[in-house]
Amino acid sequence: DAGVTQSPTHLIKTRGQQVTLRCSPKSGHDTVSWYQQALGQGPQFIFQYYEEEERQRGNFPDRFSGHQFPNYSSELNVNALLLGDSALYLCASSRRDSQETQYFGPGTRLLVL
Amino acid sequence: AQSVTQPDIHITVSEGASLELRCNYSYGATPYLFWYVQSPGQGLQLLLKYFSGDTLVQGIKGFEAEFKRSQSSFNLRKPSVHWSDAAEYFCAVDGSSNTGKLIFGQGTTLQVKP
Repeated sequence: DAGVTQSPTHLIKTRGQQVTLRCSPKSGHDTVSWYQQALGQGPQFIFQYYEEEERQRGNFPDRFSGHQFPNYSSELNVNALLLGDSALYLCASSRRDSQETQYFGPGTRLLVL
Repeated sequence: AQSVTQPDIHITVSEGASLELRCNYSYGATPYLFWYVQSPGQGLQLLLKYFSGDTLVQGIKGFEAEFKRSQSSFNLRKPSVHWSDAAEYFCAVDGSSNTGKLIFGQGTTLQVKP
């Protein structure tokens, strides 16, 4: 059983560009959360998707948006990239209304030049 | 607002020595508490969690943590550290339910001396 998978593993973009990151949840999971982890920091919650809708959101600007598909996979989109968006982006999946905790993917390392 | 503080940014211990990583949280009620470990270039792996009940929680890899409400703490311990335990450790809180919106501390880097 594959766990949480993310693509791509690494990405280099320039300021002002747009980026899309992808996440496939663990089998049986229906909820996807995204986190940003800057170098030397703990992960910060961006948002969470369930039933194809954004359910919770952290303190991130509207440049950060997402989507969840009927198969529960998810995308994170970031527009107008800034240097400060360089980070490891982590996806986590879980099952709604379950005491089971989230499983994290290996992350996508984004470098903005 | 919820917050998590890990006072020790970097800790070095000798292999075989005991370990305690500190975590303090700020929340009005009893939160859901977690410890995760992250090896270089890897995602996060759950070590243990506390939701309710027994305040001493056992986790994987020989780790345990104790929830102390009076001190708002959830410190992680291991009686004998192995070189493979060298990694980044994160404490996290999720309010008083398992919503999936985790608030993480800054992390503690553990270095193990041979």
